[in-house]
Amino acid sequence: AQSVSQHNHHVILSEAASLELGCNYSYGGTVNLFWYVQYPGQHLQLLLKYFSGDPLVKGIKGFEAEFIKSKFSFNLRKPSVQWSDTAEYFCAVNDAGGGNKLTFGTGTQLKVEL
Amino acid sequence: NAGVTQTPKFRILKIGQSMTLQCAQDMNHNYMYWYRQDPGMGLKLIYYSVGAGITDKGEVPNGYNVSRSTTEDFPLRLELAAPSQTSVYFCASSYLDRGYNEQFFGPGTRLTVL
Repeated sequence: AQSVSQHNHHVILSEAASLELGCNYSYGGTVNLFWYVQYPGQHLQLLLKYFSGDPLVKGIKGFEAEFIKSKFSFNLRKPSVQWSDTAEYFCAVNDAGGGNKLTFGTGTQLKVEL
Repeated sequence: NAGVTQTPKFRILKIGQSMTLQCAQDMNHNYMYWYRQDPGMGLKLIYYSVGAGITDKGEVPNGYNVSRSTTEDFPLRLELAAPSQTSVYFCASSYLDRGYNEQFFGPGTRLTVL
């Protein structure tokens, strides 16, 4: 079964600092990759996705992620975080099997301090 | 479009009680999903459906039942509530087209079983 690892459980940054959140998955075949964000008290929203093509994917709000197939990784980056980026971030993988189910990582809680 | 809607937003149940969590989507999506979210655990798939009349178990189906009589609705039934079912429940939907599977999430139902 597919598994997704997010190694950073809690991250605290100051505004304007750079962000990189790690995500590794286990399945070696064709995958679709996602980063979702959950702001306090809200539902999950899609930040960005990778299906094919350019492994550097740009999403909303200045976020980007790089798919490195050889490392089974899909790390999320942002050059300069803002206080409003405080949220929980989830990496998810769809291994294109039956039902096109997503497997989620355990999430990274990001707190951005002023 | 309202997107994915869920009712109720909050509910407190006593052990052994039953209830149905409602989920509806107006995007004509063929796939629908139920997840539970527990702190530090990410999202776990309970059940999913690939179309009206077709449902299948996810990772954590015990204690739950679902039905999908229409494309729009995907209710989740708890028959005998237990404290272990205290969680936040999210419904999601997606449209499968050439392998794409971005899931859209509802606002969630926070359930407490006492």
